[in-house]
Amino acid sequence: RKEVEQDPGPFNVPEGATVAFNCTYSNSASQSFFWYRQDCRKEPKLLMSVYSSGNEDGRFTAQLNRASQYISLLIRDSKLSDSATYLCVVNKGDAGGTSYGKLTFGQGTILTVHP
Amino acid sequence: DAGITQSPRHKVTETGTPVTLRCHQTENHRYMYWYRQDPGHGLRLIHYSYGVKDTDKGEVSDGYSVSRSKTEDFLLTLESATSSQTSVYFCAISETQTGYQPQHFGDGTRLSIL
Repeated sequence: RKEVEQDPGPFNVPEGATVAFNCTYSNSASQSFFWYRQDCRKEPKLLMSVYSSGNEDGRFTAQLNRASQYISLLIRDSKLSDSATYLCVVNKGDAGGTSYGKLTFGQGTILTVHP
Repeated sequence: DAGITQSPRHKVTETGTPVTLRCHQTENHRYMYWYRQDPGHGLRLIHYSYGVKDTDKGEVSDGYSVSRSKTEDFLLTLESATSSQTSVYFCAISETQTGYQPQHFGDGTRLSIL
């Protein structure tokens, strides 16, 4: 089983649509969770961190379910500029605290927003 | 954007030659990482550093070595490049290892080994 699993998509949605991405992780000791976006041939950029209580940043909402080891990202009112690959990222947590900030990346979910 | 510069941005070289990639940061962050990104594999950690002269292996470290003699520079070396090392290489930095500190990435180096 992969440490971080995402539906690769692609998701093709019209402008204005709401789209949701899901991600599961296998390491129950993980403590930090993030969503990154990556444009074609560019570096990954932090979209948002994911907190236990869920958090929202404009049109983007992230949720974390520790019991099910599940993370989600909801994008409302999709824009053409939202077209990208979305990476679910989880830290390699361990009880000893020696993860040195190492992260595990999902393979990404491709989103295309069309007019 | 985080002050991270990778060099070179593009490189084409031949099998068997040594290659060194450089990551330079102006953020004074303690933690630095080297990743490679390949289709079907996502980002995979090669090596990382948790301080000057303190480095350790990641999940795909075979064929790579690193050095960090200054806080701002983290070098990745392919001692004898092979075609399987053709990839896009990203450097990342992080302020701390704890809590909710994300990593920030450089622009990447596209390396082709012929």
